[in-house]
Amino acid sequence: AQSVAQPEDQVNVAEGNPLTVKCTYSVSGNPYLFWYVQYPNRGLQFLLKYITGDNLVKGSYGFEAEFNKSQTSFHLKKPSALVSDSALYFCAVRARINAGNNRKLIWGLGTSLAVNP
Amino acid sequence: EAGVTQFPSHSVIEKGQTVTLRCDPISGHDNLYWYRRVMGKEIKFLLHFVKESKQDESGMPNNRFLAERTGGTYSTLKVQPAELEDSGVYFCASSLTTTSGGADTQYFGPGTRLTVL
Repeated sequence: AQSVAQPEDQVNVAEGNPLTVKCTYSVSGNPYLFWYVQYPNRGLQFLLKYITGDNLVKGSYGFEAEFNKSQTSFHLKKPSALVSDSALYFCAVRARINAGNNRKLIWGLGTSLAVNP
Repeated sequence: EAGVTQFPSHSVIEKGQTVTLRCDPISGHDNLYWYRRVMGKEIKFLLHFVKESKQDESGMPNNRFLAERTGGTYSTLKVQPAELEDSGVYFCASSLTTTSGGADTQYFGPGTRLTVL
C-alpha cells in the first residue's frame, strides 16, 4: 500500500538557521513527490514537486527538497528560516504509473514548523 | 487569475441534516478533486472528476456522499444525512492535464470546515 510518513509532528528552529522537514514514502515504482504548506486559516499552497531529473528541486519562498531514491525520502529544506515560514507542511506522493488515470495524492500527517525570533 | 474557491467556509449542522459544499475550480482546469481531513488524521482523497465524469471515486466513504460536476465546471459535494464522523475540513483542488504524463500540480481551495453536532 502507498503511504507517506512525516516522522516529526513539530519542528522548532531559530530564525536564520537552516530548517529541514522530513518525509519518507512507500510507493511502487518512481513516484511524483510534492510539498504543500498551510498557513493559519488558509488553504493548501503548492511549494514544489519532483518529477524527474535533478534530485534537488527548488520551489517557492526559497524552499528546496532533495529526492533520495535509495532512502525513499524527499526532505524539505531552507537555508535560512524566517518567522513567516511558521506553518503546517504536508508531503504528498502520487504513483507515476497506474491504471485508470489515478491521480490521487497520498498524504503525510503534516509537520508543524515553528520559527522562533 | 482566480484560484480555487469553496463555499461555505464553515458549516455547522446537526446529525441527520443535509449539507452541500461547492467548489469552483480554476478556469479551464479539467481535473477536479475532493479531499477530506479529519482532525488528527491525514488528508484523504475522496474523488476525482475529469470534466464532468467521475474518473475515480474510490475514496468516497459511503453512499451518503454524492458528488457532481455540472457541465465540467463547478462541483458540489452533498452529504445526506450527515453523521458525526463526517466532521472535518473538505478541500477541493483542480489541475490542468499536462502532456508530460500526469505530473500536473493540484491547486487547492481554502477548504470548508464542516462540523456535525
